[in-house]
Amino acid sequence: QQQVKQSPQSLIVQKGGISIINCAYENTAFDYFPWYQQFPGKGPALLIAIRPDVSEKKEGRFTISFNKSAKQFSLHIMDSQPGDSATYFCAASKGEYGNKLVFGAGTILRVKS
Amino acid sequence: NAGVTQTPKFQVLKTGQSMTLQCAQDMNHEYMSWYRQDPGMGLRLIHYSVGAGITDQGEVPNGYNVSRSTTEDFPLRLLSAAPSQTSVYFCASGRRGVFGQGTRLTVV
Repeated sequence: QQQVKQSPQSLIVQKGGISIINCAYENTAFDYFPWYQQFPGKGPALLIAIRPDVSEKKEGRFTISFNKSAKQFSLHIMDSQPGDSATYFCAASKGEYGNKLVFGAGTILRVKS
Repeated sequence: NAGVTQTPKFQVLKTGQSMTLQCAQDMNHEYMSWYRQDPGMGLRLIHYSVGAGITDQGEVPNGYNVSRSTTEDFPLRLLSAAPSQTSVYFCASGRRGVFGQGTRLTVV
């Protein structure tokens, strides 16, 4: 079964808009929640990550919101740009950082100019 | 400083053939892992290693072998390729997951 459920599968946003991708997890032992960005033909690249002791983390235009009680976390991309068009994966793991990451199915984001 | 280097980038195999996907990192990371990426399924962990001489299975290990004789290298072996192993394979290094560029494998 899929331990991390990601939605939506695809997303189209206008330039300058806010892109929101959601993930839900089942395993309460997970304690590290990263987001990866992947461009066609490339490997995933770590974008931003959060631990469950904080509810929000912001890096530039990218923000993770984390709701421990609901077992959900989301990625917000503010002022979305065409260069943000990529596939985004949420992931989760327990223990030390990125050990044995469990990935969501991915969201294909297209930002229209 | 190359990061994570995977070879080959593309490979076509016939059913039953064996091959080794190579992965090398130059960041002195103890932790390395192999994932496969299939449409609509994200990335799934095949095998991982927490240091030279130590490996363990991930979510989808069947049909794959690994070994870790040095810190730098973590090869993935397909023993007898099957069409179900057609996928894109990624090697990752380090706790935060520095990924290679991938190997696109087709088994016919």
